[in-house]
Amino acid sequence: QQQVKQSPQSLIVQKGGISIINCAYENTAFDYFPWYQQFPGKGPALLIAIRPDVSEKKEGRFTISFNKSAKQFSLHIMDSQPGDSATYFCAAYRAGANNLFFGTGTRLTVIP
Amino acid sequence: DVKVTQSSRYLVKRTGEKVFLECVQDMDHENMFWYRQDPGLGLRLIYFSYDVKMKEKGDIPEGYSVSREKKERFSLILESASTNQTSMYLCASSLQGRPQETQYFGPGTRLLVL
Repeated sequence: QQQVKQSPQSLIVQKGGISIINCAYENTAFDYFPWYQQFPGKGPALLIAIRPDVSEKKEGRFTISFNKSAKQFSLHIMDSQPGDSATYFCAAYRAGANNLFFGTGTRLTVIP
Repeated sequence: DVKVTQSSRYLVKRTGEKVFLECVQDMDHENMFWYRQDPGLGLRLIYFSYDVKMKEKGDIPEGYSVSREKKERFSLILESASTNQTSMYLCASSLQGRPQETQYFGPGTRLLVL
C-alpha cells in the first residue's frame, strides 16, 4: 500500500516553463515532507522540505506548496532548465516511524 | 561533505548465490538504511539500523539480512539471490534521532540476478 501517491509518472516541459509534480497522502500523522532529486547514475539528494505549519516554502526556483486540509503537496519548478532533468521523489515522515515513505517518482525532462 | 560509498556500481550474480552489498559513510552518522529502487515503485525500505549491531525491518525485508559491526559500515546480504531481487540498491545515512531529516544516499548498486 503506497502511503504517498505521486503524479505524474513522467513529465516533459519546455525550457523556461513551469514543472509541477503532485503528491497526496492519507496519514494525518505525517509531519515532514521532503523532496529528493535524483540524477542518472546518482543517489537521490535532498532538494527542499516543508513542515505542515506553513503553506509554502521557496528556495530559488523550487517551491513546495502544501495544502493540509486536502492532504496534498506539490513541487513547482519555475523557469525549468535542461539541468533540472532528473527523477523527483516526494516523501513523508511521521514521528515514531523509522523511515521516510517515498512516492513512486516523477521523471522530468526539460527540452531546450 | 557527507560521503556514502557503495562497494560496487554493478553486480551480476547467479540464482542461489549469496550476495554481499557493502556501504560505508564517513560522517559518523548513527542511522543507516538500505532501500531498493524499482521503476514505478519508488524507494522501498529493506532494513534500517540506528546503532552498531542494531537493526530493524523495513517494508520489504524478506529474502534479505543486514549486518552492522562498525558504525560506518552497513552490509546488505542476499542469502540466496533470486531473479526478483534484480534491482537498484541504495544505501543512505542520517543523524541519530532524526531519521526523517536529511538522508544522504550513495550512488547505488545495480544488481542483476540471472
